[in-house]
Amino acid sequence: QSVLTQPPSASGTPGQRVSISCSGSTSNIGSNDVNWYRQLPGTAPKLLIHNNNQRPSGVPDRFSGSRSGTSASLAISGLQSEDEADYYCAAWDDNLNGWVFGGGTTLTVL
Amino acid sequence: EVQLLESGGGLVEPGGSLRLSCATSGFTFGTYAMNWVRQAPGKGLQWVSSTSGTGDSTYYTDSVRGRFAISRDHFKSTLYLQMNSLRAEDTAVYYCVKGLYNDILTGHYPDDAFDIWGQGTIVSVSS
Repeated sequence: QSVLTQPPSASGTPGQRVSISCSGSTSNIGSNDVNWYRQLPGTAPKLLIHNNNQRPSGVPDRFSGSRSGTSASLAISGLQSEDEADYYCAAWDDNLNGWVFGGGTTLTVL
Repeated sequence: EVQLLESGGGLVEPGGSLRLSCATSGFTFGTYAMNWVRQAPGKGLQWVSSTSGTGDSTYYTDSVRGRFAISRDHFKSTLYLQMNSLRAEDTAVYYCVKGLYNDILTGHYPDDAFDIWGQGTIVSVSS
């Protein structure tokens, strides 16, 4: 049972916009920034969004993040087949004094 | 180019020990927080431990506190994870991860994103 809650799966067709939610509590998302990571099959994770809505250099602007209260969301527009991957949210938890991850969402492009 | 290369994984019996190493290059090692994150087979990501740029501050997830120790050698630009009293549930791929922000300049640690990930080293605990 992960501290942050994500839907286990999501799907969309090429060109569509999809959104992945991440729900937490006041001690993590409610107090600290949220980061998103993408893990392609068989590879190491990669930072996708940091500080709620900031894209690292090289990440396309098709990817966007937002945070409101104790929830966060990752949106992917113009869905492409290469976006098929696992997506994880993470935040620092002030009560646990450590990082917590969501359980991950597997995105399928139909 | 930032590079992180983990080593030291392997098969160990329950109760045994391993020391993971992460050789780094391409950045000023002593100014960035470093982290270990693991992923059990078929499971999601789990944060294990973090250390500040200087190494003076460390954090651990509850399940490894007292058994694992994170450390860094600034002369070798290498991060370590000493793992003792290993259990079957410690079986995972262990990733070495560099923090995003210059810890010394920004003070972001420990609330700092996981910027660059190594390829991982596999730890298997089984009799």
